Amino acid sequence: KNEVEQSPQNLTAQEGEFITINCSYSVGISALHWLQQHPGGGIVSLFMLSSGKKKHGRLIATINIQEKHSSLHITASHPRDSAVYICAVDTGNQFYFGTGTSLTVIP
Amino acid sequence: NAGVTQTPKFQVLKTGQSMTLQCAQDMNHEYMSWYRQDPGMGLRLIHYSVGAGITDQGEVPNGYNVSRSTTEDFPLRLLSAAPSQTSVYFCASSRTRRSYGYTFGSGTRLTVV
Repeated sequence: KNEVEQSPQNLTAQEGEFITINCSYSVGISALHWLQQHPGGGIVSLFMLSSGKKKHGRLIATINIQEKHSSLHITASHPRDSAVYICAVDTGNQFYFGTGTSLTVIP
Repeated sequence: NAGVTQTPKFQVLKTGQSMTLQCAQDMNHEYMSWYRQDPGMGLRLIHYSVGAGITDQGEVPNGYNVSRSTTEDFPLRLLSAAPSQTSVYFCASSRTRRSYGYTFGSGTRLTVV
């Protein structure tokens, strides 16, 4: 049973393209996190959301609590955005993670 | 400001051996947590702590023990290593559980043979 599903699993884009990564979840949550895992393995927090929309630079994250869905958008993608993007939900008692979306941005 | 420091980076154990993975943070964060990452399964929460002296189980706690005697340190103990515990382990901390901005350690790659 997967509490968190991400799509697509793999994504290849040309530099400059607008990218969307989707996350759907099946449990009640107190917060949703987006993480970035670099090719070397390091993990960085991008966003924490409980409602609405957040923006940081070229990254935008949205969440629809009623539909149990979140999206991560990258505007004007760049090769340095190549990484695995991971969605995680906090139920208050547990954290559940998606298996990640592997993004490759080609120059 | 070192952030979250995990040691060792790599470890090979024989089945049945015990060991402790170390995690230390210097940001005075109350919340600390341990995860394992396996191919095709994503990250899974093992144990977490909301402050010194308080620990609780995550999704996959069996075979692991933790303690939190200080705010800074949150070691993860493997009591009797099994091949199923071969994984990459990450420690993370944040100001509180509900805070933005979890800081992750660089990971420990553990192989149990």
